[in-house]
Amino acid sequence: GESVGLHLPTLSVQEGDNSIINCAYSNSASDYFIWYKQESGKGPQFIIDIRSNMDKRQGQRVTVLLNKTVKHLSLQIAATQPGDSAVYFCAENSGGSNYKLTFGKGTLLTVNP
Amino acid sequence: DADVTQTPRNRITKTGKRIMLECSQTKGHDRMYWYRQDPGLGLRLIYYSFDVKDINKGEISDGYSVSRQAQAKFSLSLESAIPNQTALYFCATSQGLAVLAEQFFGPGTRLTVL
Repeated sequence: GESVGLHLPTLSVQEGDNSIINCAYSNSASDYFIWYKQESGKGPQFIIDIRSNMDKRQGQRVTVLLNKTVKHLSLQIAATQPGDSAVYFCAENSGGSNYKLTFGKGTLLTVNP
Repeated sequence: DADVTQTPRNRITKTGKRIMLECSQTKGHDRMYWYRQDPGLGLRLIYYSFDVKDINKGEISDGYSVSRQAQAKFSLSLESAIPNQTALYFCATSQGLAVLAEQFFGPGTRLTVL
């Protein structure tokens, strides 16, 4: 079946460095992707989204890149801060017009001061 | 004030007991979802509802049931709890129709079944 997965389960970076979190997806019909951040003891929080008709989208300190050719999604965090430490999930819309998200397993980002 | 609230936040129960988890939202969204989260498995969809009269099974609905009492309320029930239902449960909402939009999550309910 279709699935969303992550290349790296953990990522440790130094404060101030840039972070890149990767996600592979296998449903070529997916048309919408979201990155969520989940801090310990909290529910997932929206970071940024991208539609399949785009290759890149930028937010505040975050950039999402979508490569449909290889079905790859990445989240780049610039100047990573200790407050960025969390689990990051990618999710794809696997339901087409019914809009249903399928989540990846998550990557734990640890920022060292 | 939180837009999506869940009660209780923590619950410990015994095998065979009936448990209800409640979710309320003030976002005015039509769509509501229940997920469970287990370590290493990410979020898995249990049930979802696109409006008050619409209920759909997710990928892991066995052992669970839901009720959409109103647009703002979506409850999840475990009719006879078992230990492998120990998990973190999240409710989420999203805007309806054909809009592709983010899901907003509640703070979660940590359920332990002994």
